[in-house]
Amino acid sequence: AQTVTQSQPEMSVQEAETVTLSCTYDTSENNYYLFWYKQPPSRQMILVIRQEAYKQQNATENRFSVNFQKAAKSFSLKISDSQLGDTAMYFCASVNQAGTALIFGKGTTLSVSS
Amino acid sequence: SQTIHQWPATLVQPVGSPLSLECTVEGTSNPNLYWYRQAAGRGLQLLFYSVGIGQISSEVPQNLSASRPQDRQFILSSKKLLLSDSGFYLCAWVPGQGAFTLHFGNGTRLTVT
Repeated sequence: AQTVTQSQPEMSVQEAETVTLSCTYDTSENNYYLFWYKQPPSRQMILVIRQEAYKQQNATENRFSVNFQKAAKSFSLKISDSQLGDTAMYFCASVNQAGTALIFGKGTTLSVSS
Repeated sequence: SQTIHQWPATLVQPVGSPLSLECTVEGTSNPNLYWYRQAAGRGLQLLFYSVGIGQISSEVPQNLSASRPQDRQFILSSKKLLLSDSGFYLCAWVPGQGAFTLHFGNGTRLTVT
């Protein structure tokens, strides 16, 4: 079965620091999509960033960027200049083998403190 | 613009009672629809998805079922709830084939007592 693995259940960082959340995935496809979603205490799921596997360039959205290593099947999220509002659970996701749905990792709870 | 509505927001039900959670999408047609469950410490588990009216795919055998009676309506049901059905249920949609950026509802917190 296809899997998405987030090996860091919890992480903490100080405001203004940089933090990297890890994710590895398993797929036999060549073209696929990868995602990071954020779930703040409100529990609303918010898309952070999306990467298309055929694109060499790593995706960036303001303070959020990814390090996509296709051969290693690794997709880490870097948050620069961390803010208190970044406190949330972060989920990595990839498209399933059938290309019909997203499969999520178990999440990493990030705490940003002042 | 497209919006997704999911209700109720919170539900407390006794073991053995039935369940019906509803999700509707506005502002789009023929979306792919999804039900996910988030149990404590277990991430998001895909339960069901639907690519059209009456078309339901189940990802995990369990005590739940789903139906899609209308194009933009997705219902999650159970005839008899178990304690293990407790969790946070999320409905989501994408605008059709080849699109994978999920848009989520606000979720339903279900507690089975």
